[in-house]
Order: sequence, then structure tokens, then C-alpha cells
Amino acid sequence: EPEVTQTPSHQVTQMGQEVILRCVPISNHLYFYWYRQILGQKVEFLVSFYNNEISEKSEIFDDQFSVERPDGSNFTLKIRSTKLEDSAMYFCASRSQGGESEKLFFGSGTQLSVL
Amino acid sequence: ILNVEQSPQSLHVQEGDSTNFTCSFPSSNFYALHWYRWETAKSPEALFVMTLNGDEKKKGRISATLNTKEGYSYLYIKGSQPEDSATYLCAGYNAGNNRKLIWGLGTSLAVNP
Repeated sequence: EPEVTQTPSHQVTQMGQEVILRCVPISNHLYFYWYRQILGQKVEFLVSFYNNEISEKSEIFDDQFSVERPDGSNFTLKIRSTKLEDSAMYFCASRSQGGESEKLFFGSGTQLSVL
Repeated sequence: ILNVEQSPQSLHVQEGDSTNFTCSFPSSNFYALHWYRWETAKSPEALFVMTLNGDEKKKGRISATLNTKEGYSYLYIKGSQPEDSATYLCAGYNAGNNRKLIWGLGTSLAVNP
């Protein structure tokens, strides 16, 4: 069964460093998402991406964050200058064309630890 | 703003017990409700997507109901097994242009053999 893959599974970085989290969505999917979960808190929406542009972003997704789909298969989340509070599990998700009644397919996440 | 709440936060049951938990959301502006199952170290996996009031869906021993008028969904597990141990997340979409999934905190289920 097709799946969303994320790399790396764990990332440790120093505060102020840039990180890039990588995702390969399911190949025929058209809508892509990044979510995160800080330990003990709710899953939070970060950004949605469709037709090679951001379709929506949350207030968390400030100028330090960016997304790219550089080659038609990868979907990356870049955090330019990491802060301690960016430590979280970051999930990539994708869905096929269709409305919000279509389920999301998630990757297994990247655990980001900012020291 | 859609706010999704789940209860209980955690649940411990014995193998063979049936159990249920709740997801509540504002009934106005509702569009769709998703249930996901999330095992430790794995990807969240979609269980159900529900849109219609009175909808009932079933997948093996797991079923879910939806009441959009009063703003809740129940997830039922019949005859719990240790492999059902996971966090069960619900998430709702609000109607309108600004659609995004808003998540509950989840119910953590532990099934003791």
C-alpha cells in the first residue's frame, strides 16, 4: 500500500540552526500538509500546500518557516532559525483530490529536538 | 473557531471489555469529522471520515456514530484486544472558506491482556 515517508525520524539541532524536514507524499496525491505535536499538547496545523503554493497557513507558520516542493516528489519544511519551542513531532500528510471528506495519509513523523 | 474536545483523556480496560469514548465539537459550522488511530512510533491511520448527521461507520470491531445537531461523535470498540492500545484522535473541519482540520487532544487507550 502506498505510504507517506518522512526523513529523518529524529533530528537534534542547536538553537538558531536551520533544519529541513523531508517528506515524500503519495505519488498521485495533490494536497500536502505539515502538522506538529508538542509533547502533551494537541496536534497543530502548520500549513497546507496545493498546486505548488501555500493554500493556508496557521499563525505558528511565521517567517521562520517555509515549504517547498522542489522536484515534484519531495515536500520539505524548513525552519530557518530554530527555537527551543520548535521541539515537537512534525508530521507530513497528503490526500488525493477531493473535499475534506477525504482522509489524510500521514508519515511516521520527524521528532525534532532543539537544544 | 472550531474547538474539538475528547474524553476521557486516557482509559485502561481489560482484554475483552467493550469501550467507547467521545469527541465533541460545536454543532454550528460543522463540515466533516475524522477519526484517526495512532500507535506509538507509527503514523496516525485514518479510521473514519463522517459528514452526515446520524452516520454510523464500522471497521471490524470498531464503529463510530455522528450527531451533528448536538455536536458529538462516539467511537466504540467491541471486545478490546491488546493490539487496540493506541491514541484515538478525532479532528473536525469547519464549514466555510477557512477549512482546516482542528484536532482533539486524543484518548489514550491501554488494553491489558
